[in-house]
Amino acid sequence: DTAVSQTPKYLVTQMGNDKSIKCEQNLGHDTMYWYKQDSKKFLKIMFSYNNKELIINETVPNRFSPKSPDKAHLNLHINSLELGDSAVYFCASSRRAGGFRGYTFGSGTRLTVV
Amino acid sequence: DAKTTQPPSMDCAEGRAANLPCNHSTISGNEYVYWYRQIHSQGPQYIIHGLKNNETNEMASLIITEDRKSSTLILPHATLRDTAVYYCIVREYGSGNTGKLIFGQGTTLQVKP
Repeated sequence: DTAVSQTPKYLVTQMGNDKSIKCEQNLGHDTMYWYKQDSKKFLKIMFSYNNKELIINETVPNRFSPKSPDKAHLNLHINSLELGDSAVYFCASSRRAGGFRGYTFGSGTRLTVV
Repeated sequence: DAKTTQPPSMDCAEGRAANLPCNHSTISGNEYVYWYRQIHSQGPQYIIHGLKNNETNEMASLIITEDRKSSTLILPHATLRDTAVYYCIVREYGSGNTGKLIFGQGTTLQVKP
């Protein structure tokens, strides 16, 4: 069983569209994260939720709205997509905020805006 | 911003030990050193972490200098599957920590046959 799964794996869409990426973890972790990896391969944290509560919001445009219906799921909705949103988006989870044992990452969603 | 400095790239012969250095001269007393790697097109993978003492697990060994200003990740017998970008990260652990991992540029390790 995949520990952290993201869907879809690939997403190609036009500028101006609205799209969602879903993430689920079956590890029983309390904390989940969204990271963005751009074309230069820099990995930057975007959001983090702990038990459905937003605890990290890293100056991300408000076109990006995370939602956590329960602690096993963290979705990312993006409105009015722009070319610069093209990137690979990684979901991750940790046992709790602080993640002593480290993070478990999903395999990523490659978003291409055309 | 990342608090670590790593060489951008390294090569290693298959079967030999790969030693990946990391400088973290501004590390504070309650910050741990973490190592992750990212194999092409996959999500980052946790390798090992440590505070002061050297650590070893099934994947690698972590050697931290006595002053804690630098560390070395050792892959004892590198294989072609170890070709990846290796990230050294320092992070505080403790109550109230929001658990933010900050990735730098990392070291691209190329294992050659």
